[in-house]
Amino acid sequence: AQSVTQLDSHVSVSEGTPVLLRCNYSSSYSPSLFWYVQHPNKGLQLLLKYTSAATLVKGINGFEAEFKKSETSFHLTKPSAHMSDAAEYFCVVTDQRYSGGYQKVTFGTGTKLQVIP
Amino acid sequence: DVKVTQSSRYLVKRTGEKVFLECVQDMDHENMFWYRQDPGLGLRLIYFSYDVKMKEKGDIPEGYSVSREKKERFSLILESASTNQTSMYLCASSQTGTGYLYRGYTFGSGTRLTVV
Repeated sequence: AQSVTQLDSHVSVSEGTPVLLRCNYSSSYSPSLFWYVQHPNKGLQLLLKYTSAATLVKGINGFEAEFKKSETSFHLTKPSAHMSDAAEYFCVVTDQRYSGGYQKVTFGTGTKLQVIP
Repeated sequence: DVKVTQSSRYLVKRTGEKVFLECVQDMDHENMFWYRQDPGLGLRLIYFSYDVKMKEKGDIPEGYSVSREKKERFSLILESASTNQTSMYLCASSQTGTGYLYRGYTFGSGTRLTVV
């Protein structure tokens, strides 16, 4: 079975300060992990992905995440928050096993990031 | 630019109406999905399809059906809309692959459905 836990439902940071959005996962197999961002009334956009290559993954808009197997974590970070980063962020895990032709994907419940001017 | 297109951004329907939500992708992806998104509940899978004319129930299929007659199009049908189906509906597609070949989902912009 696989699961993902986003540890904070809301995070508030000041503009120009670092961002940390936390994600822990559980998977019986080697997982692939993703972060998606959703701006208000929009669909989800892929920020970055880990698929068993380098453990430090760089994504769009200055975000990065580090896969830590020993801690079963995949936290999302950014050195300096920008107002445009205000959005909801979803951590996603898949162990890529097929069940009925489908690679089961599990979404976290999301973290809303507020950026204060 | 590759994308997933949902036909409507906002819809208002009356209770009991039959509602069609359309989704088209231009990436030749095998897999297509319908999710609904509600505050505090995250994304919940309604139905998915991994091939033309194939469909599988997700976690919350009750009250919904789907149709996939062509590879690029996946339709979600609310047979008799109810107020508890008021939600944001997201369509997604993905290509089959493992490891670095797996690129995750591409999402549409969503349809916000209100049932009154």
